[in-house]
Amino acid sequence: DQQVKQNSPSLSVQEGRISILNCDYTNSMFDYFLWYKKYPAEGPTFLISISSIKDKNEDGRFTVFLNKSAKHLSLHIVPSQPGDSAVYFCAARRETSGSRLTFGEGTQLTVNP
Amino acid sequence: NAGVMQNPRHLVRRRGQEARLRCSPMKGHSHVYWYRQLPEEGLKFMVYLQKENIIDESGMPKERFSAEFPKEGPSILRIQQVVRGDSAAYFCASSPYPGVNRDGYTFGSGTRLTVV
Repeated sequence: DQQVKQNSPSLSVQEGRISILNCDYTNSMFDYFLWYKKYPAEGPTFLISISSIKDKNEDGRFTVFLNKSAKHLSLHIVPSQPGDSAVYFCAARRETSGSRLTFGEGTQLTVNP
Repeated sequence: NAGVMQNPRHLVRRRGQEARLRCSPMKGHSHVYWYRQLPEEGLKFMVYLQKENIIDESGMPKERFSAEFPKEGPSILRIQQVVRGDSAAYFCASSPYPGVNRDGYTFGSGTRLTVV
């Protein structure tokens, strides 16, 4: 049962344009959502998060939007840079089991110069 | 200030052998989490440990897998009698407090296990 899904395995954008990565979830008990970035042969690094009581969180070039009614979140990167090329994972925390994260499958973002 | 250290980075084992994966958390972190990433998949939670205690092992396969986090030394994930399906990247993460907060945990670079 895949409770967090990233339906796009890959995304390619031009440098300077906006990158939009999407994530859907099924479990309404998730109360926190996080995005991680992962380069090859490295571990995931935390990027940005959002609480389920908010609908937007912004940090520099990165903004995460949460639509609770649609059980959908998205990560916007603007402007995109070649160094942003990586795999992006959406992850969710369930309030009652706050020690673990449920990850999506990841989206490979390629930013072309 | 070293991050989460995992070793070895790469491990090759023949079917039936044992694999031992080590994780040293960040300084001051007493909570350790293990995740597994199979090819083309996301990370899957395996186990959460505090010093000398297993807090949540609901993601661990019932057989052949065990984990510990002793009072002294690194956390160890042990896989006995490895099979080809155990080939994956194993990531360890640590935090100074229980659970995940808005900054997530800090992950190590992982151990890539290949079973031949």
